[in-house]
Amino acid sequence: GAVVSQHPSWVICKSGTSVKIECRSLDFQATTMFWYRQFPKQSLMLMATSNEGSKATYEQGVEKDKFLINHASLTLSTLTVTSAHPEDSSFYICSALRDTNTEAFFGQGTRLTVV
Amino acid sequence: AQSVTQLGSHVSVSEGALVLLRCNYSSSVPPYLFWYVQYPNQGLQLLLKYTSAATLVKGINGFEAEFKKSETSFHLTKPSAHMSDAAEYFCAVTSGNQFYFGTGTSLTVIP
Repeated sequence: GAVVSQHPSWVICKSGTSVKIECRSLDFQATTMFWYRQFPKQSLMLMATSNEGSKATYEQGVEKDKFLINHASLTLSTLTVTSAHPEDSSFYICSALRDTNTEAFFGQGTRLTVV
Repeated sequence: AQSVTQLGSHVSVSEGALVLLRCNYSSSVPPYLFWYVQYPNQGLQLLLKYTSAATLVKGINGFEAEFKKSETSFHLTKPSAHMSDAAEYFCAVTSGNQFYFGTGTSLTVIP
């Protein structure tokens, strides 16, 4: 099956710094990539949808200036949490679609802890 | 508009007992439906998917789900629960390039 690699799997950073999370589709070109945030014992909350070469579409309530998404190629999307604060600590997951109306392939997630 | 409802945020079963996790969807067009499993601190793994072929779909780890259009349901079942099945399960529906997830069901397996 298709593989999506997310890096890093966990990161600890100081409050006020920025953190970049990478999401790569290893063996296919992703038409669309998604970024989710997941709080403990809760479902995935869609943050934004990104298509290669265009601006990401953010869900309501998600600060686009704080969560910067870059989708520079068909195999790579990055999420940068800028000026991170403890309340940004969460589990972030990316997923990629190979084609429309097909399954999404998920990265293994990134546990972000801001101290 | 698409949406997915998972009834029961927590389900507990005894080891060896039947597992039934419920999922209902609303869709204005024929849906593609999925079940994913998530183990702690990991991403989501596809269990099975329905893509308008056979209504009874068999997935990995002995799970299966049946698409019932009349009930707008896609419940996940497994005849005999194993301890390793303890995890979070998510039902999802897709239309075009959008994915909609249910709120998840946490499955506990009691030895």
